Amino acid sequence: DAGVIQSPRHEVTEMGQEVTLRCKPISGHNSLFWYRQTMMRGLELLIYFNNNVPIDDSGMPEDRFSAKMPNASFSTLKIQPSEPRDSAVYFCASSPMTGYTGELFFGEGSRLTVL
Amino acid sequence: AQSVTQLGSHVSVSEGALVLLRCNYSSSVPPYLFWYVQYPNQGLQLLLKYTTGATLVKGINGFEAEFKKSETSFHLTKPSAHMSDAAEYFCALLDTGRRALTFGSGTRLQVQP
Repeated sequence: DAGVIQSPRHEVTEMGQEVTLRCKPISGHNSLFWYRQTMMRGLELLIYFNNNVPIDDSGMPEDRFSAKMPNASFSTLKIQPSEPRDSAVYFCASSPMTGYTGELFFGEGSRLTVL
Repeated sequence: AQSVTQLGSHVSVSEGALVLLRCNYSSSVPPYLFWYVQYPNQGLQLLLKYTTGATLVKGINGFEAEFKKSETSFHLTKPSAHMSDAAEYFCALLDTGRRALTFGSGTRLQVQP
């Protein structure tokens, strides 16, 4: 079975550029989470969706960050404009919402470097 | 607020030695607790979880963890370390308010030959 698929795996960009990270959750999972991992702050929850609806975006750092889930099989995290402090590994994870007990299935991450 | 604290950012053991990774939690409600493992350049994967019931939880790769309410702890153990266990380990708590996982800061396990 295919797991959570993220793209790109690596992105290097210059400050001020727009960055779009993509995620395809596991088929049948209806909860999707975006996490950011940095050395300084560890793993932080940015936003999550249930049935394509954003439920909690309190972790989104600022207005430069936006996330969408137009359908059950696709989500994007966009940063515009990007800044060096946005450099991190961004993880997407999915979970079946029904009977949710917290088990997440993670993608391999998108490593973003902003110069 | 619900939180987890992992004691020790780095742990080094010899191959064949006991592995003990420490996690303490803070929660005003019965907690759901998890251990995840992250191998280099990979996403996290679930090792084991405690929700309700038996306090000794067995996971994959020979790991287990014991929920101790009196100590607010959920330490991860493995009797005999293998080289392949070298990874970063994260303790996590289900934040019932946000209905999402809150992760600890992680412990990097090094296994020496």
